[in-house]
Amino acid sequence: DVKVTQSSRYLVKRTGEKVFLECVQDMDHENMFWYRQDPGLGLRLIYFSYDVKMKEKGDIPEGYSVSREKKERFSLILESASTNQTSMYLCASRQDYTGELFFGEGSRLTVL
Amino acid sequence: QKEVEQNSGPLSVPEGAIASLNCTYSDRGSQSFFWYRQYSGKSPELIMSIYSNGDKEDGRFTAQLNKASQYVSLLIRDSQPSDSATYLCAVQGYQKVTFGTGTKLQVIP
Repeated sequence: DVKVTQSSRYLVKRTGEKVFLECVQDMDHENMFWYRQDPGLGLRLIYFSYDVKMKEKGDIPEGYSVSREKKERFSLILESASTNQTSMYLCASRQDYTGELFFGEGSRLTVL
Repeated sequence: QKEVEQNSGPLSVPEGAIASLNCTYSDRGSQSFFWYRQYSGKSPELIMSIYSNGDKEDGRFTAQLNKASQYVSLLIRDSQPSDSATYLCAVQGYQKVTFGTGTKLQVIP
């Protein structure tokens, strides 16, 4: 089975702190994604990566950056956390042939 | 116009009935279409994928795609209380995967 592991299930940070959310997949998938999920807004794409060191902005990249130094790991970085970044963050890895996304369990971030 | 639109619901159906979930999308170049189910507090999981016009059936689930109308639907036959969840429509373009806001389905025993 594909496994996508997110490093932290729950985080509480203060405004202005730097936040790292890490995601690791074990299926050698090329494509990985970071979404945030908010009530009434659904899943919104922050960034995605289609290869090591390659990244593309999604629909809401402002305030975020990403890093993909190794194929299995895709990190989301909040350089200076703000209260409006309080959300559930979901990482996903895409199976190349079918296009199916496999999600991690999510990281619930609260910024105070 | 949102890229992927769904009625947020909730959609309430009695147990044993057919639930019909709908989705429209704006990008005519979209290539692949998916339905994910998300239980409260859990991550989304794939239940159906469809790539060409027509119907695709898998057990109690049928996905329908009409690219000319830019419309995707999911039918759930013999709905069960365990089907109560939020159903997310997802559309894949060249590389990006965009989700609708989801439709909450409630199956009443």
